[in-house]
Amino acid sequence: TQLLEQSPQFLSIQEGENLTVYCNSSSVFSSLQWYRQEPGEGPVLLVTVVTGGEVKKLKRLTFQFGDARKDSSLHITAAQPGDTGLYLCAGLWSSSNTGKLIFGQGTTLQVKP
Amino acid sequence: GAVVSQHPSRVICKSGTSVKIECRSLDFQATTMFWYRQFPKQSLMLMATSNEGSKATYEQGVEKDKFLINHASLTLSTLTVTSAHPEDSSFYICSASGVRGSTEAFFGQGTRLTVV
Repeated sequence: TQLLEQSPQFLSIQEGENLTVYCNSSSVFSSLQWYRQEPGEGPVLLVTVVTGGEVKKLKRLTFQFGDARKDSSLHITAAQPGDTGLYLCAGLWSSSNTGKLIFGQGTTLQVKP
Repeated sequence: GAVVSQHPSRVICKSGTSVKIECRSLDFQATTMFWYRQFPKQSLMLMATSNEGSKATYEQGVEKDKFLINHASLTLSTLTVTSAHPEDSSFYICSASGVRGSTEAFFGQGTRLTVV
């Protein structure tokens, strides 16, 4: 069974602070995706990382894929209240040819003004 | 990006009745669609994978007679919750893949089901 461990599951911080969310697995993924979800809506794709060691930046968000493609991290710099939401990592299983994603447990982020 | 539309966005039904949720790919042919269930402040739990024209593959612990999935065309999959009970109340989300042969999946907006 492929598992993706995401941590922390809950995070409450003040505006302006930095934070990092981690996703770890014992399995190798062909790619890993990060999503952000608002209450009552579907997840919205933030980024896809494919290459081991890859780093992608999206404004104040920095995404990294581990060298062995088993782990990933999301770092937010100077968090804003608008960053509040549920962050999900999801891995595309190496041998999957259907797009079946394995999701982490999710990180609920609250940024207080 | 590709668009996936899910309908209805919210539904309230009485215990014992059945509810159908539709998932449509609006601008691409979805060879595969996925159905997820999500509880408050939790992650998405995959229920089943459906391929057009074939029977859905259900994840362990998901009752296939309870959650009927039909993927009759390359743009439409439906999830029917049969004989719904209050414990079936949840947020159901579909995703679809198949754009230009890619495995990238695009998500619908989700359906909030409340069984009273």
